[in-house]
Amino acid sequence: DADVTQTPRNRITKTGKRIMLECSQTKGHDRMYWYRQDPGLGLRLIYYSFDVKDINKGEISDGYSVSRQAQAKFSLSLESAIPNQTALYFCATSDSGLGRTEAFFGQGTRLTVV
Amino acid sequence: RKEVEQDPGPFNVPEGATVAFNCTYSNSASQSFFWYRQDCRKEPKLLMSVYSSGNEDGRFTAQLNRASQYISLLIRDSKLSDSATYLCVVWGYGGSQGNLIFGKGTKLSVKP
Repeated sequence: DADVTQTPRNRITKTGKRIMLECSQTKGHDRMYWYRQDPGLGLRLIYYSFDVKDINKGEISDGYSVSRQAQAKFSLSLESAIPNQTALYFCATSDSGLGRTEAFFGQGTRLTVV
Repeated sequence: RKEVEQDPGPFNVPEGATVAFNCTYSNSASQSFFWYRQDCRKEPKLLMSVYSSGNEDGRFTAQLNRASQYISLLIRDSKLSDSATYLCVVWGYGGSQGNLIFGKGTKLSVKP
């Protein structure tokens, strides 16, 4: 089993619908992240969480919300999906050690908003 | 200025070639540096960390120049399997509040 698991892997949804992307990890890491990737724009940080009680906005948080249900679970919600939220979404984890902080990624969720 | 900037690419090289990627970062407080590899439609995976003294892992050599805020990755004797997008990643404090910041990536295509 993957250390970082994202569900669903693919999703097509209609404009205006609410959708939740889920992420769970078995790495035991404190830090969890949500990124989106668009062609030509690279990975951009949406939200990040340093522990269950510490959630922070990233570079592009508008239109998104998150919930850290437990150390191992971090979900991303689109309250009212719009077409420009069509992208590849990645969840990642890292430990809290300073420096040398490798991030481990889930396999991604390909979201299409029509 | 973008926090992490990379050569736009794509780099199209023949097998056996040596290819170098460059990256600059804007936050002088950055603490750690990495190269990640991303295959098409897959998740990024750590290729190697970049240490101040430079480091080598087989055919791959990474260099860091803190004074110039510059990172490089050299791939020798390119293989077909090296075809991927290479992401320069910086971790540090300041505006990014201790997070990993990714460059947009440089695409490498190794041809037979």
